[in-house]
Amino acid sequence: EVQLVESGGGLVQPGGSLRLSCAASGFALSHYFMAWVRQAPGKGLEWVSFINSGGSAIYYADSVKGRFTFSRDNAKNSLYLQMNSLRDEDTAVYYCARIRSTYYSDYWGQGILVIVSS
Amino acid sequence: QTVVTQEPSFSVSPGGTVTLTCGLSTGSVSTSYYPSWYQQTPGQAPRTLIYSTNARSSGVPDRFSGSILGNKAALTITGAQADDESDYYCVLYMGNGIWVFGGGTKLTVL
Repeated sequence: EVQLVESGGGLVQPGGSLRLSCAASGFALSHYFMAWVRQAPGKGLEWVSFINSGGSAIYYADSVKGRFTFSRDNAKNSLYLQMNSLRDEDTAVYYCARIRSTYYSDYWGQGILVIVSS
Repeated sequence: QTVVTQEPSFSVSPGGTVTLTCGLSTGSVSTSYYPSWYQQTPGQAPRTLIYSTNARSSGVPDRFSGSILGNKAALTITGAQADDESDYYCVLYMGNGIWVFGGGTKLTVL
């Protein structure tokens, strides 16, 4: 069974940092592209970042570019989202998602809440 | 800035048919954008319904279908049921690892 489990969320002050993790199981992580998608409270979904299977190509939404870093460790079946210089507007549930070659997400994690507040 | 547009809300009667659309501020939506559709209920992760314009994800009932209608992507629900009441999101692939989600449509079944 494919599973994606996010962790590392919580409350952080503006300007602070947080590192999210996504543990993948039930499939060979090294074969898949992956992404982070977030959803602010009461708002819609927002694509955050994408990484290819080997980690050599990484893309970011303009809203997080220069502040967030997406990485992966295929040997540990894990993904990471390092979030620096956090802002109030980064408050959201963050989902990791598996991406298929036809550019869609077929599996999603349950999400992890990040609250940026003083 | 590219904006993907969806109807903010829609209502359908039980057993009825509804078509939700997904437009693009910069022009027409085509299959080249690999439009996909997701269903989300409050507090839950999104569920994949449709990918590559009209391919149904595993386990999705055939009353959900995707298409291109005019210059937009479309999600049609035929024979709407009470548990179809959800938020529906489309997303378009812009290339270079970049996706843009629409704002979502809140569907009410009543």
